[in-house]
Amino acid sequence: DTGVSQDPRHKITKRGQNVTFRCDPISEHNRLYWYRQTLGQGPEFLTYFQNEAQLEKSRLLSDRFSAERPKGSFSTLEIQRTEQGDSAMYLCASSHTGTGPLAEQFFGPGTRLTVL
Amino acid sequence: AQKVTQAQTEISVVEKEDVTLDCVYETRDTTYYLFWYKQPPSGELVFLIRRNSFDEQNEISGRYSWNFQKSTSSFNFTITASQVVDSAVYFCALSEGGATNKLIFGTGTLLAVQP
Repeated sequence: DTGVSQDPRHKITKRGQNVTFRCDPISEHNRLYWYRQTLGQGPEFLTYFQNEAQLEKSRLLSDRFSAERPKGSFSTLEIQRTEQGDSAMYLCASSHTGTGPLAEQFFGPGTRLTVL
Repeated sequence: AQKVTQAQTEISVVEKEDVTLDCVYETRDTTYYLFWYKQPPSGELVFLIRRNSFDEQNEISGRYSWNFQKSTSSFNFTITASQVVDSAVYFCALSEGGATNKLIFGTGTLLAVQP
């Protein structure tokens, strides 16, 4: 399978714990996005990487959230001191710069986080 | 500010009926891009179509068609002869391009096609 993959698919944690999610984009896609989707809502943009550089972060991304893409390939999203309000589906998407602004973003299956 | 409004929260139709999903957007830019994505029960977003603001030509792809009208800031999606497999949440999204091409999504429309 050459699509976007995310791990884990589901994560249940207790409030106050740290969690880390991984995203593997489509090979050779240099753009990588993280979105968050809560029940009944559309995905909301969190952050964007071009290669290894994090070029934009949403105001939604509090200082408890950090994302990395160390070698311009896979990315990790870490949430420290989780809160119940962090419960959501975390989606990763990738695209290729070469196709310009119309580039389709390919989405992964998401990681569903439940904070108890 | 950019905004996408999908006023229809849920639509229920019987198989073979035609159905139109509405999308209204707001943007100050003259160059922007519109998308439709499908999210089936499995959860993975599936790309359906993209349009740039300079191309108001309507498009048809099989049973799917899209009507883009800049005058009303709308980008509506019609499914002809709906099928049970069309049941999903459909999202309209807007991108102003720029450095990130991030997508601004609407709240989605849940389409239930009954057999």
